[in-house]
Amino acid sequence: DAKTTQPTSMDCAEGRAANLPCNHSTISGNEYVYWYRQIHSQGPQYIIHGLKNNETNEMASLIITEDRKSSTLILPHATLRDTAVYYCIVRVPRDYGQNFVFGPGTRLSVLP
Amino acid sequence: KAGVTQTPRYLIKTRGQQVTLSCSPISGHRSVSWYQQTPGQGLQFLFEYFSETQRNKGNFPGRFSGRQFSNSRSEMNVSTLELGDSALYLCASSLGDGRAETQYFGPGTRLLVL
Repeated sequence: DAKTTQPTSMDCAEGRAANLPCNHSTISGNEYVYWYRQIHSQGPQYIIHGLKNNETNEMASLIITEDRKSSTLILPHATLRDTAVYYCIVRVPRDYGQNFVFGPGTRLSVLP
Repeated sequence: KAGVTQTPRYLIKTRGQQVTLSCSPISGHRSVSWYQQTPGQGLQFLFEYFSETQRNKGNFPGRFSGRQFSNSRSEMNVSTLELGDSALYLCASSLGDGRAETQYFGPGTRLLVL
């Protein structure tokens, strides 16, 4: 079973920041938080991951709360091309038994 | 660096037939994982191969099998196709060395079983 809960859907205005929350209250100390997105009928695209510190790359920022029970993915200036299903996953890197368990994700609609 | 490639992209088969899908991982990646995605069940893990050995397996019947070659390319096979096998089949590759195991996905093969 997925270890995360996310809102089913969200809307965001084009050009505004999109903030996608994820709850992972049962996360273990060595589990990373990963974010992927999937644009309709394409393969999931890796966005970002982190353990406890906030992370930023060219696509997004990941903010993890101090207790690590939740996180937020931030797309700073959403465009129409960011419309996709966003998946938040927790995973232990060295635990090959788990792999990535995808939940239903959040369907983000960026509106013009 | 080229991404993960999957062939064919689209496939139509009839019930009872078998099908073989192919995946070429990112150069240098030794781990290949396969997933099935359907509207009803979402993304589900099938199996993972590393160094030509199945390292992990999801909860799918034995009709689903795979293999990996010495160049890390992988194939998955589904025998005795059923209507419910219609899905997007995704392949993902990673280094497989146990560090931050980011998986990179291919575009998928869409299989339709009639």
